[in-house]
Amino acid sequence: AQSVTQLDSQVPVFEEAPVELRCNYSSSVSVYLFWYVQYPNQGLQLLLKYLSGSTLVKGINGFEAEFNKSQTSFHLRKPSVHISDTAEYFCAVIAVNTGGFKTIFGAGTRLFVKA
Amino acid sequence: DAGITQSPRHKVTETGTPVTLRCHQTENHRYMYWYRQDPGHGLRLIHYSYGVKDTDKGEVSDGYSVSRSKTEDFLLTLESATSSQTSVYFCAIRGGGGSTDTEAFFGQGTRLTVV
Repeated sequence: AQSVTQLDSQVPVFEEAPVELRCNYSSSVSVYLFWYVQYPNQGLQLLLKYLSGSTLVKGINGFEAEFNKSQTSFHLRKPSVHISDTAEYFCAVIAVNTGGFKTIFGAGTRLFVKA
Repeated sequence: DAGITQSPRHKVTETGTPVTLRCHQTENHRYMYWYRQDPGHGLRLIHYSYGVKDTDKGEVSDGYSVSRSKTEDFLLTLESATSSQTSVYFCAIRGGGGSTDTEAFFGQGTRLTVV
């Protein structure tokens, strides 16, 4: 079975500062990795994903993430955040070659960007 | 936006009553999922479907049943609602095209309160 651990439940940061949201996963098989964002009172939307190839993945809104297989991590970064980045961020995995493409989510990290 | 509609968007119901939530998609996607979102738990998979009349359990399926009689509709039924089922429920869809089709698209959510 797969599991996802988001190491911080809340991350406060000042506007224009860099941010890193941490994610570790556990799986006995290869995985696809994702970051989703949820703005207040909305569903989730995809920020970026890692399927294969380059371990540095760039997504929307200036976010990027790096897959580290040896550390089983997929941390999300942004060099300079904006007030509008305030949202909840979810790391997620899909086990490759298993039925259903079931996505397993972490508990979420709430990012607060302060002026 | 992916064509996903959840209904109702909000519902208050009494303990012990049955409740049905509906997810309707216009994307002709193969996979459909029901998740519940609770603080501190992220999104947890309740049930999913990989085709018409083909469904399977997720990690928190007790007390829930599903049906999919048409490609576009996936119903979630709480057979006898309990207060522990107070939550926000999300429907998600995904195509069946292999590794390039891994992104999940989410509905706006249904806020269910059991009193």
